[in-house]
Amino acid sequence: DTGVSQNPRHKITKRGQNVTFRCDPISEHNRLYWYRQTLGQGPEFLTYFQNEAQLEKSRLLSDRFSAERPKGSFSTLEIQRTEQGDSAMYLCASSYPETQYFGPGTRLLVL
Amino acid sequence: SQQGEEDPQALSIQEGENATMNCSYKTSINNLQWYRQNSGRGLVHLILIRSNEREKHSGRLRVTLDTSKKSSSLLITASRAADTASYFCATVEETSGSRLTFGEGTQLTVNP
Repeated sequence: DTGVSQNPRHKITKRGQNVTFRCDPISEHNRLYWYRQTLGQGPEFLTYFQNEAQLEKSRLLSDRFSAERPKGSFSTLEIQRTEQGDSAMYLCASSYPETQYFGPGTRLLVL
Repeated sequence: SQQGEEDPQALSIQEGENATMNCSYKTSINNLQWYRQNSGRGLVHLILIRSNEREKHSGRLRVTLDTSKKSSSLLITASRAADTASYFCATVEETSGSRLTFGEGTQLTVNP
């Protein structure tokens, strides 16, 4: 039984660069979520998919952020023109039906 | 924005003691979930309690929910050093679909 996996686990980038993160959910889960967590805070919702449809996006998700889930399987989260304020842990979760299971996260540092 | 507020923000106890953490929220909910997070790691799901339930148990964990007061508590009995972690409550609001809204967490330290 494999859990949610995320790659890469760590990413260091320079301000202005684009980054892409990948999330592989638990195979039978049809819902997939992205959250962002900064130090000392609880996670904040970014967006979620049911199968391949993106059903909700937070106001936190600026135009520089885009997420996809082609074919309802894995998902990618891209951040364009990164800013220092994007430094955070990006968490992915999947669920079927209610309980959300989280991956280990991708820690992003923007220099 | 954060809906839940955990209390206390930090708790330090000795091994074998019980730990109680409280969570308050603001809106009507479908369910409330508790998660544990070890430093710098992902979140581990502990327990889910639905809005029509008042109490649930899982091993050494006991969760209560009072929807009239919009509050929940997590009790860990006979704590162990391995229970040291941050604990978060998260709600699924009635109007939110299925996204979780987290509080800021309680940092629990269990001293051996």
